[in-house]
Amino acid sequence: DTGVSQNPRHKITKRGQNVTFRCDPISEHNRLYWYRQTLGQGPEFLTYFQNEAQLEKSRLLSDRFSAERPKGSFSTLEIQRTEQGDSAMYLCASSEGVTGYTEAFFGQGTRLTVV
Amino acid sequence: GENVEQHPSTLSVQEGDSAVIKCTYSDSASNYFPWYKQELGKGPQLIIDIRSNVGEKKDQRIAVTLNKTAKHFSLHITETQPEDSAVYFCAAPTTSSTSYGKLTFGQGTILTVHP
Repeated sequence: DTGVSQNPRHKITKRGQNVTFRCDPISEHNRLYWYRQTLGQGPEFLTYFQNEAQLEKSRLLSDRFSAERPKGSFSTLEIQRTEQGDSAMYLCASSEGVTGYTEAFFGQGTRLTVV
Repeated sequence: GENVEQHPSTLSVQEGDSAVIKCTYSDSASNYFPWYKQELGKGPQLIIDIRSNVGEKKDQRIAVTLNKTAKHFSLHITETQPEDSAVYFCAAPTTSSTSYGKLTFGQGTILTVHP
């Protein structure tokens, strides 16, 4: 299967700890997105990469959050000093293209629970 | 920014009936409208999308219609089957975004198809 892959699928952490999630996009896709989804809501945009460049960040992405995409391949999302409000599903998506909107394909997500 | 409203929040139908989910958007410059299906514990799956240069698109039992003047678009599922039961999300891009990355999602519709 060459879809978007996210690891881990589940993460339980204690408040105050740091966590890091990984996303491997579809291999030929140059665009990569991170979204957050809480129970009963639609996904909310966090950040967007085109190749290795982080082109946009949401105001939802506090300074405790950082995302990287070295070499324009996989991406990591790190949350420092986790809080209970960070508990959510973190979704990664990828798409191809340079201009215009193209189909975005989501991974299975990483469910974070902060206790 | 874009505001997307989705109705109804829940929809219950009998197998074989049709289901219609409606969304409205606020940014008149939006030109791409995807629909996603999300099953429990999984990431959203793109099922159909439409661009602003067409008014309707069909793929087997699924169709999407777009009314740019009224700024609304709808998902139509015919001959529903129990496996269509899931949460459905509409989305629209934020054209003021500096990138082609940001989708704003509706609140979701929980569709239940009874055998």
